[in-house]
Amino acid sequence: DIQMTQSPSSLSASVGDRVIITCRANQGISNYLAWFQQKPGKAPKSLIYAASSLQSGVPSNFSGSGSGTEFTLTISSLQPEDFATYYCQQYNSFPFTFGPGTKVDIK
Amino acid sequence: EVQVLESGGGLAQPGGSLRLSCAAYGFTLSNYAMSWVRQAPGKGLEWVSIISGSDGSTYYADSVKGRFTISRDNSKNTLYLEMNSLRAEDTAIYYCAKAVVMGLIDYWGQGTLVTVSS
Repeated sequence: DIQMTQSPSSLSASVGDRVIITCRANQGISNYLAWFQQKPGKAPKSLIYAASSLQSGVPSNFSGSGSGTEFTLTISSLQPEDFATYYCQQYNSFPFTFGPGTKVDIK
Repeated sequence: EVQVLESGGGLAQPGGSLRLSCAAYGFTLSNYAMSWVRQAPGKGLEWVSIISGSDGSTYYADSVKGRFTISRDNSKNTLYLEMNSLRAEDTAIYYCAKAVVMGLIDYWGQGTLVTVSS
């Protein structure tokens, strides 16, 4: 199975800050990488697919990059509604594994 | 508008069975791959199973293989997850998710809670 890791596991940031979350796979997954946002008590929301493509309706302050084994999710200017937990997921091969999540909270 | 709506969660005893349903709205289920993803209380997301839109091929996480069965009824535009031999560690919110292509989720349901306890 492909193992996904994320760093940091949590971070505290202020509105307007630039936030970068890293996701690593223990073997190459090309660009078969998605990012999801989950707020407490809510279902996940799809943000990014194919490592860098924004899902419809996702604000442009979100961006993704990377290929192979290392990927990043960047929030260019953190907004109040962006405080949440973020998960990466590989869909290169079965089973489609998720990272453990990165919780972004208010400093 | 695309929506998926899960139902069927509840309390089951260890060793028991439960069937989850996921009704699809705004799209034709058989044209897309559909996944189940679960989240244990206070934990992260775990992919459970997927059924292909094109040929109905199914795949499972090792943790549920042989116990869970994913299926769909195209006439009802509904996805199912039949869960047998339930264990305490199957306790989770189960999300139904639509996939654009195999594994690539674009829409999530609101989830249904399954609790396995005596």
